[in-house]
Amino acid sequence: DAGITQSPRYKITETGRQVTLMCHQTWSHSYMFWYRQDLGHGLRLIYYSAAADITDKGEVPDGYVVSRSKTENFPLTLESATRSQTSVYFCASSDVEGFTEAFFGQGTRLTVV
Amino acid sequence: QKEVEQDPGPLSVPEGAIVSLNCTYSNSAFQYFMWYRQYSRKGPELLMYTYSSGNKEDGRFTAQVDKSSKYISLFIRDSQPSDSATYLCAMNSGGYQKVTFGTGTKLQVIP
Repeated sequence: DAGITQSPRYKITETGRQVTLMCHQTWSHSYMFWYRQDLGHGLRLIYYSAAADITDKGEVPDGYVVSRSKTENFPLTLESATRSQTSVYFCASSDVEGFTEAFFGQGTRLTVV
Repeated sequence: QKEVEQDPGPLSVPEGAIVSLNCTYSNSAFQYFMWYRQYSRKGPELLMYTYSSGNKEDGRFTAQVDKSSKYISLFIRDSQPSDSATYLCAMNSGGYQKVTFGTGTKLQVIP
């Protein structure tokens, strides 16, 4: 099916563990983004990518790593999970530089215990 | 002070009412203004966007931008229970690097 999918949808992990959240889009959009959504903060940009092998930090990148070896995939890795990284994570993609036609995935609800 | 302010609500209205959702912002460089709708436990979906000032209409939805007041609005006419969701405003000055989102307003339309 065409679209943008995230996996897993729900994840519980322990403090200090490495966790990878997956994002896959079928449109071949150039731009991909990772956001986290927390109560009182709205959506905050973690990392973004303009194309394969081009990534850059967003507003809250500390503790996260991304890669983009293929246009369609944009995994987000928490190197050593902390409780403050408990959040809902959204991946988005866009074929337009101005973000005016961005599509979001369903989200991954991550709990760090 | 946050760059974008949005009343979290919740806002409860009867079915058929006109709904007004608003955001204020402080960055005069913002030129693109977007509204997203987010159902519970789903990702945000783009409703509409406007460039610079003025109005834009799409069916029952109207987006309005007043750059002189740094104020944007989303109006929903003939509101339906299916409109019950959280509405997020978003804005940037162009380019993908920095889009600032409001915290969202939760809307409930009561049948």
